Amino acid sequence: EVQLVESGGGLVQPGGSLRLACAASGFTFSNYAMSWVRQAPGKGLEWVSGISSSGDTTYYADAVKGRFVISRDNSENTFTLYLQMNSLRAEDTAVYYCAKLRGSDRGAFDIWGQGTMVTVSS
Amino acid sequence: DIQMTQSPSSLSASVGDRVTITCRASQGISNYLAWYQQKPGKAPKLLIYGAYTLQSGVPPRFSGSGSGTDFTLTISSLQPEDLATYYCQNYRSAPWTFGQGTKVESK
Repeated sequence: EVQLVESGGGLVQPGGSLRLACAASGFTFSNYAMSWVRQAPGKGLEWVSGISSSGDTTYYADAVKGRFVISRDNSENTFTLYLQMNSLRAEDTAVYYCAKLRGSDRGAFDIWGQGTMVTVSS
Repeated sequence: DIQMTQSPSSLSASVGDRVTITCRASQGISNYLAWYQQKPGKAPKLLIYGAYTLQSGVPPRFSGSGSGTDFTLTISSLQPEDLATYYCQNYRSAPWTFGQGTKVESK
């Protein structure tokens, strides 16, 4: 079964850090680009970051550039996408979804995880 | 950056109605346009990619059209399970922006 499972969310103070992980299974992880998308409570979808299949190319929304770092581990038996979030702000509070793209560098998001909640509050 | 604008923001329709949602890109994106459906508390689901190609398993009552800057999602005969929020997305170039969403409610 094709599956993405996020973990690492939680409550963090403003200025703090958090690392999200997304474990992939059921498909050849190293063949596809991946992305993170977030959704603040009651709001729409906001694209956050993306990474090519090889990990050589990364993309960021302006709102997180310089604070978030996307990475991936394509090692066999360790197919995982990461999002290192630093200098967190209240406006980063959201459900964070990881998603698989249909292509190696871009494409529609055809598989989504269930999401992990990140709350930034003192 | 490419901005995506959906209209309307919400609509009310009855079962069996034909529903149309539009999405406009601030610059041409060819056919690099996807549509997603999201139900409360659930992850989004891909409906259409390439502006008009139906994702596997999606009912044929859903269809997409358009190219360049103007796109449309049509539900030919609304079903109760179609009550949800719909988003368009540009994936021609990063940032891969989403529209603000269209909530389809029951009349």
